[in-house]
Amino acid sequence: QAVVTQEPSLTVSPGGTVTLTCGSSTGAVTSGHYPYWFQQKPGQAPKTLIYDTSNKHSWTPARFSGSLLGGKAALTLSGAQPEDEAEYYCLVSYSNAVVFGGGTKLTVL
Amino acid sequence: EVQLVESGGGLVQPGGSLRLSCAASGFTSSSYWMHWVRQAPGKGLVWVSGINSDGSRTNYADSVKGRFTVSRDNAKNTLHLQVNSLRAEDTAVYYCVRGEGWPIWGQGTMVTVSS
Repeated sequence: QAVVTQEPSLTVSPGGTVTLTCGSSTGAVTSGHYPYWFQQKPGQAPKTLIYDTSNKHSWTPARFSGSLLGGKAALTLSGAQPEDEAEYYCLVSYSNAVVFGGGTKLTVL
Repeated sequence: EVQLVESGGGLVQPGGSLRLSCAASGFTSSSYWMHWVRQAPGKGLVWVSGINSDGSRTNYADSVKGRFTVSRDNAKNTLHLQVNSLRAEDTAVYYCVRGEGWPIWGQGTMVTVSS
């Protein structure tokens, strides 16, 4: 099965902007891969932030946005808050499977 | 309240079996794909299996193909995962998730494979 890659860790300053990316071993990630983004805090179940590249759920803070960037899926956080410190996972859909990325540990410092 | 509640996890010896269940409430799960996702202690999320709304189509990760079987009982709004030939590396929290936007996750059920 395909391998989905994410940055292992990133750091952002409070109020700053950071972009997390999600690549695929099969080539460019497109809207046809319906990329998702999830946030997980320690001891909690994951929470879905973004689906189908850029769609938000009602609970998704406006400071999070999803897009495609340079052949990858991207999650941009604009105006980081301390509560955004968490692990972030992307997911890419293929014809008969879906694959998670390894996760990005985001530190707000 | 809209929720998914998993059950059926526990401690099992290598080579053993379990049947995990996921009860949906507050919505009609029969309208949606449903998925199983697992997370080993301290590790990342791994998709395990998915099943379409009427159960006619199932998909599996390569690591569980031939050992795990997903099914659903739409009359009971319940999803199942039969896990056989368990290995130490199957030790994880198993989550069920509603598909199509993945808006609803269960709290997970822990499976520990150990002698």
